[in-house]
Amino acid sequence: DQQVKQNSPSLSVQEGRISILNCDYTNSMFDYFLWYKKYPAEGPTFLISISSIKDKNEDGRFTVFLNKSAKHLSLHIVPSQPGDSAVYFCAASAQGGSEKLVFGKGTKLTVNP
Amino acid sequence: DTEVTQTPKHLVMGMTNKKSLKCEQHMGHRAMYWYKQKAKKPPELMFVYSYEKLSINESVPSRFSPECPNSSLLNLHLHALQPEDSALYLCASSQTPHEQYFGPGTRLTVT
Repeated sequence: DQQVKQNSPSLSVQEGRISILNCDYTNSMFDYFLWYKKYPAEGPTFLISISSIKDKNEDGRFTVFLNKSAKHLSLHIVPSQPGDSAVYFCAASAQGGSEKLVFGKGTKLTVNP
Repeated sequence: DTEVTQTPKHLVMGMTNKKSLKCEQHMGHRAMYWYKQKAKKPPELMFVYSYEKLSINESVPSRFSPECPNSSLLNLHLHALQPEDSALYLCASSQTPHEQYFGPGTRLTVT
């Protein structure tokens, strides 16, 4: 039973345009959400996070939106750059300071020059 | 220094071998983790150490044995592995419960 779902295995966008990566979750106990970026043959790199008490968090070109009622979050990258091409994982953790992250299956983003 | 280092980068071992994976962080993080990642799959948590004590074991087979000698080091001892254990093994560390910083991983092949 997948608690964190990324339903798009891949996404292709043009350089300079917006990339929107989506993530849905089923566990209402999740209260912290993160996005990681992973290049081939490297470990995941922490990108941005959001607590359930917020609905938006911004860091440079990256913005994460959280819709708790829909149990949905999205990562917006504006403007997209070829160097953003990677696999993006959504992850969530539950209340109580749990150290366990639950990851989605990932979305492979390709930014075309 | 925001780096988590892992050695070796690649490891090939037979099913009767004993080997160890090593992980090091110098960020003063209180928690360290082992994950396993198969191709085209998300990382799967194996073990969590918090303040050098094992706090989570995700029902991992005993052929995988973690060890945390001190707050900066984490080992994963491997013995009698199966070919299906071939994967990328990732180490991570964190200070808060949530934001984990990953190492580059060890690519393990069991023959």
